[in-house]
Amino acid sequence: GQQVMQIPQYQHVQEGEDFTTYCNSSTTLSNIQWYKQRPGGHPVFLIQLVKSGEVKKQKRLTFQFGEAKKNSSLHITATQTTDVGTYFCVSSSNTGKLIFGQGTTLQVKP
Amino acid sequence: NAGVTQTPKFRVLKTGQSMTLLCAQDMNHEYMYWYRQDPGMGLRLIHYSVGEGTTAKGEVPDGYNVSRLKKQNFLLGLESAAPSQTSVYFCASSYPEGLPYNEQFFGPGTRLTVL
Repeated sequence: GQQVMQIPQYQHVQEGEDFTTYCNSSTTLSNIQWYKQRPGGHPVFLIQLVKSGEVKKQKRLTFQFGEAKKNSSLHITATQTTDVGTYFCVSSSNTGKLIFGQGTTLQVKP
Repeated sequence: NAGVTQTPKFRVLKTGQSMTLLCAQDMNHEYMYWYRQDPGMGLRLIHYSVGEGTTAKGEVPDGYNVSRLKKQNFLLGLESAAPSQTSVYFCASSYPEGLPYNEQFFGPGTRLTVL
C-alpha cells in the first residue's frame, strides 16, 4: 500500500539553528499535507502541496513538493522554542483517507 | 463553534470490558475518521465514514466497530478490550476531497489504558 517514509525521527537543535525534515514515497503522490502536533496535543494542519515542484512559505517555514511528486520537505529557519513538536507529512488517497508518516520530533534548546 | 470534541478524555479498562468513544463535530463535515496513535508512531486509521449511515475499514480495524447514525457523530466501540488497544485515540473530520483543501480537523484525543 501507499506509504510515506519520514526522516529523521528525532532532531535536537539549538534555538536559532535551522531544521529540515524529509518525506519520501515510492509512489507518485497526488498531494502532500503537513501537520504539527505539540506535546500532549492533537495534529494541526499546516499546509497542502499539490503541484509538482511547488514551494510555499509560512513565515519561517518553507514547504517543498518534489518535481516527481515523490518527496517533500519542511524547512524551519532560525528555530524558536515554540517550534517544538512532531511534524508529520501525510499523503491522501482519492477517498480522503490520510496516510501519516512516522513523524519527526523536534526539540529546541533555548 | 466547538469544532471536534471527544468523550471521554481518559479511560482505564480491564481486559474484556467494553466501551464506546464518542466523537462530535459541529462543522457539517461529511467525512469523519478514527485514528490511534502509539508512542513513536504516526497516526493509523482505524475506521472512517464518508457520510451519515456509511462506514469503512481503515488500516487497523480489527477489534473495533463504528457507527455513524447522525452526520455530526461518529462512535468507536471496543467490544472486548485488550492490552494491545492501549493507545491515544483521535477523531477527525473533513470536507470531501475536491474542495481546495481536505484538511482534517482533529479532536483533543482520548487516552485509553487497558489493564
